Amino acid sequence: DTAVSQTPKYLVTQMGNDKSIKCEQNLGHDTMYWYKQDSKKFLKIMFSYNNKELIINETVPNRFSPKSPDKAHLNLHINSLELGDSAVYFCASSQEEGRGGSYNEQFFGPGTRLTVL
Amino acid sequence: KNQVEQSPQSLIILEGKNCTLQCNYTVSPFSNLRWYKQDTGRGPVSLTIMTFSENTKSNGRYTATLDADTKQSSLHITASQLSDSASYICVVSPPDSWGKLQFGAGTQVVVTP
Repeated sequence: DTAVSQTPKYLVTQMGNDKSIKCEQNLGHDTMYWYKQDSKKFLKIMFSYNNKELIINETVPNRFSPKSPDKAHLNLHINSLELGDSAVYFCASSQEEGRGGSYNEQFFGPGTRLTVL
Repeated sequence: KNQVEQSPQSLIILEGKNCTLQCNYTVSPFSNLRWYKQDTGRGPVSLTIMTFSENTKSNGRYTATLDADTKQSSLHITASQLSDSASYICVVSPPDSWGKLQFGAGTQVVVTP
C-alpha cells in the first residue's frame, strides 16, 4: 500500500522517559511534517523537513527532536516526557511545498496516541 | 485567538439529509483553503483544496464554497450517509508558508439512521 505509516499506534509511558515515534512514507514526497493534536482537536504543526532539511521548527520544547535519515523517513524523539505531552501525533507528507503559493495535498498517517502517566 | 473558526462545533443529522458546515478565517492574505475529513482514530484526509480565486469545488457529495471577500467558506454534504460521520476540518494556508497550515478545531458530524 502506498501511504504514510507511523509506529507505534499507541504509546503509554511514564513521566521522565525518552521515547521515539517512527514515520515512513512511500509516496515519493519531498516534504514531511509532524503535527500534534491536543484534546481540543486542534492540529498544530511542530516540524517540517524538505529533502532531509529542517524548514519549519515551531516553538516546541527542545525535548522534541526530529530526525530525518532520508527523505522517506521522519522520526520524532522525545526526551524527558511530561504529562502535557499526552496527545495524538500525526506525521504527514506532501510534494514540495513552495513559497509562491503553490499547494500540494498533505497525506496524513494514522496517528500515534501518546499517553504520559 | 485562532485564525480559523468553525461552526457549529457539532451536528447530528439523519441519514439522507443535507447539511452545511461553516468556516470563517482571518488569515490574510491566504494561498489556499482546504477541507479535511477526519474519521475517529484516523488521520485527516483531504476533501477539497481551493485557491483564493476559486469559488466552489466539488468532490462527490461534498461541495465547498469560498468567498474570499468575506473570508468565509462552507462545506455542503448532500444526501448524507452513515460513513459521513466524522470531524470536518477547515484549513487555511498563508502564502510563503512552506506548508504551514492553520487548522480549525473541526465540526463533529454524526449521521444517524
